[in-house]
Formats: sequence, C-alpha cells, structure tokens
Amino acid sequence: AQSVAQPEDQVNVAEGNPLTVKCTYSVSGNPYLFWYVQYPNRGLQFLLKYITGDNLVKGSYGFEAEFNKSQTSFHLKKPSALVSDSALYFCAVREGSARQLTFGSGTQLTVLP
Amino acid sequence: NAGVTQTPKFRVLKTGQSMTLLCAQDMNHEYMYWYRQDPGMGLRLIHYSVGEGTTAKGEVPDGYNVSRLKKQNFLLGLESAAPSQTSVYFCATCAFTYEQYFGPGTRLTVT
Repeated sequence: AQSVAQPEDQVNVAEGNPLTVKCTYSVSGNPYLFWYVQYPNRGLQFLLKYITGDNLVKGSYGFEAEFNKSQTSFHLKKPSALVSDSALYFCAVREGSARQLTFGSGTQLTVLP
Repeated sequence: NAGVTQTPKFRVLKTGQSMTLLCAQDMNHEYMYWYRQDPGMGLRLIHYSVGEGTTAKGEVPDGYNVSRLKKQNFLLGLESAAPSQTSVYFCATCAFTYEQYFGPGTRLTVT
C-alpha cells in the first residue's frame, strides 16, 4: 500500500523567511503526489501536484514543491512566508485506480509576524 | 457554480441514532469520496464511487453505508451511531486531471 509521512506536526517560521514543509512517500510504481491546505473550519484546497515532468512543481499562492525520487521526498516550499499562509498542510499520494488519496497526518504551519 | 456542497454542517446524535449526510456536486465529476478527519490522523477514506450506481469500500468503512443513485449526489449513512464516529466528514470529487475538490465538511458529535 502507498503511504506518506509528514515528520513534523508543527512548523514555525517568521514572516518573510522561506518555509519548507516536509513529506516523504512510499509507493509501488510511479508516484502521483499532491499538496493540500486547510484553513480553520474549512475543507481542503488543492495547492499543487506532481504526476510527471519537471521535478520542481509550481502551484497556487506562490507555493512550489520539489520531487526527489532518490530521497522519495516531495517537500513543499515558499520563498517568503506570509502570516496568511498559516494553516494545516497535507501531503497525499494517489492510492489506486479510482484515484483514491492516502493522506499524511498533516503539518500545522504558523507564520509569525 | 457551487462546487461541492455538504448538508448538514453540524449534527449531534445520541448513540444508536441514524442519520444521512448528503454531498452534492455540480462539477460533473465521475469520482466521489467520503473521508473522515480526526486530530493527528489526517483524512481517512470511508467509501468511494467511480460513477452513478457504483460504490466501494475505503480504508475505514465499518459502520457506514453509501449510495450513489444520481451522478451529482453521494450519500453517507450511519445506521447506528457510536461515539467513535464523532469526527469531521468531508466529501470530495476528482477531476480527470487527478486533483480532488472538497466540500466544507460536516461536524458530527455522537454522545
């Protein structure tokens, strides 16, 4: 079965600094990887995905993620954090032919003013 | 377009009661999913559907049933609620480009 791990429950970063939210994965075959963001009392919103192509994927709100096959990682990054980026972030991997997703446990990002 | 909507937004049940959660989408997507979200556990798949009239079990299906009589609707039923089913429930659909779109969630408390 596919799985993803988010090793950090909480990440704190100062506004204006670069941020990284880590994700590692375990899949059989080619990975389909995703990042989602959840603001308080809201549903998840799609940020970006990697299916094939360039290892650096750009997404919404200035976020990007780097796919690293040798390290089986898909870390989420942003060059300059905003207070409004504070939210819960989930990494996910496609599980099966019905496009089910397996989610990591989530990382709470707090951007300090 | 409303996207993905869920009703109700909140519900409190007593142990043993039943209820149905409704998910509706106007995105014309074939694939639909029900997840539950619990603190520290991410989202876990309960049931899913790959089209009208079809359903399948996910990771945590016990205690739940689903139906997809119309393409735009996906219903999640709890026949006899238990406190362990206290959770936030999310419905989602999947585009042909693989990204999923989520509803706003239903917060269910079982006492």
